[in-house]
Amino acid sequence: AQSVSQHNHHVILSEAASLELGCNYSYGGTVNLFWYVQYPGQHLQLLLKYFSGDPLVKGIKGFEAEFIKSKFSFNLRKPSVQWSDTAEYFCAVNERSNQFYFGTGTSLTVIP
Amino acid sequence: EPEVTQTPSHQVTQMGQEVILRCVPISNHLYFYWYRQILGQKVEFLVSFYNNEISEKSEIFDDQFSVERPDGSNFTLKIRSTKLEDSAMYFCASRRDYNEQFFGPGTRLTVL
Repeated sequence: AQSVSQHNHHVILSEAASLELGCNYSYGGTVNLFWYVQYPGQHLQLLLKYFSGDPLVKGIKGFEAEFIKSKFSFNLRKPSVQWSDTAEYFCAVNERSNQFYFGTGTSLTVIP
Repeated sequence: EPEVTQTPSHQVTQMGQEVILRCVPISNHLYFYWYRQILGQKVEFLVSFYNNEISEKSEIFDDQFSVERPDGSNFTLKIRSTKLEDSAMYFCASRRDYNEQFFGPGTRLTVL
């Protein structure tokens, strides 16, 4: 079974700081990769996704992620965070089969 | 924009009681899922459903769980005899093809 690791469990940043959240997965074949965000009291929303092509993908709200196949990684980045980015961030992997595998999540707190 | 809806938003039940969690997936979607998220833990896959039958299930999805699509629009998760450890947020998701899953807002189940 697929394993997804998010190494940062809780990140605290000041506004305007840069963000990078790590995500590694275990499956070595063809995968689809996703980052979901869960704002306080809300449901999971898609930030961005990678299926194929350019390994640098851009998502909503200024987020981007880079797929590095050799490192089995799909790290999420944002150059300048805002207070409204405070949320839980989940990396997910789909092996082109049915189910999604989620990481444990990273809680981001942005201090104004 | 179409979205996945779930009812109720919060369900409180006594241990041993049966609960039914309801979901209305996006209308032209073909694959349906249930996930759960125990407080402070990662989102875990429970079951996937396609063409009116279960296509995949995790070890969490034991005999006390069942799913049904009774009328072509609703997708339900039944827990026959709830246990304290069933307390969690339950998310329904749907997708059309090999693409992102769209998540509902979740039902918070509290078992007393």
